[in-house]
Amino acid sequence: EAAVTQSPRNKVAVTGGKVTLSCNQTNNHNNMYWYRQDTGHGLRLIHYSYGAGSTEKGDIPDGYKASRPSQENFSLILELATPSQTSVYFCASGDEGASNERLFFGHGTKLSVL
Amino acid sequence: AQKVTQTQTSISVVEKTTVTMDCVYETRDSSYFLFWYKQTASGEIVFLIRQDSYKKENATVGHYSLNFQKPKSSIGLIITATQIEDSAVYFCAMRGSGSFNKLTFGAGTRLAVCP
Repeated sequence: EAAVTQSPRNKVAVTGGKVTLSCNQTNNHNNMYWYRQDTGHGLRLIHYSYGAGSTEKGDIPDGYKASRPSQENFSLILELATPSQTSVYFCASGDEGASNERLFFGHGTKLSVL
Repeated sequence: AQKVTQTQTSISVVEKTTVTMDCVYETRDSSYFLFWYKQTASGEIVFLIRQDSYKKENATVGHYSLNFQKPKSSIGLIITATQIEDSAVYFCAMRGSGSFNKLTFGAGTRLAVCP
């Protein structure tokens, strides 16, 4: 079964601090994604990647950076965290265009910025 | 730009009945892909079912089926013989066929299945 693992599961950060959310997938998927989930907005795409070394901006990239050092790992970085970034963050992997195209999600990271 | 709208915020049904959740979408692409995902109470998000826009037959997987009405840009999710464990938040999503089109999600519909 495809697996996407996020760490940490919960994080409390201070305003202005740096936060790194990590994601690891064992699916050998080329594409990886970072979403945030907020009430009333569903899942919104922050950054995504087509493979190691690539990162692309999603729909709401401001205040976030991403890093894809390898096929398996994709990180989301908040250089200067703000309270508005308090949310639940989901990482996902998948291959677009495949006949069985679908996303596999991690269990989410709950981030609180105080 | 793509847009997905789920107007039903929450639905409550009695166990073993049938429920339909609505979803409408906007896209300029002539070819696109539509998905439904389920988020359980634990927060886990799983893929349920998919409809490709060029297919006329409605997709069916287990007790999930789709009501694809292309002229209305609508893709409803139908759950028959609902079970308590179907209680969850259901997200509709779409992706245009263009290279740079990513998956766009609706806001979700919370389903409560009561005994």
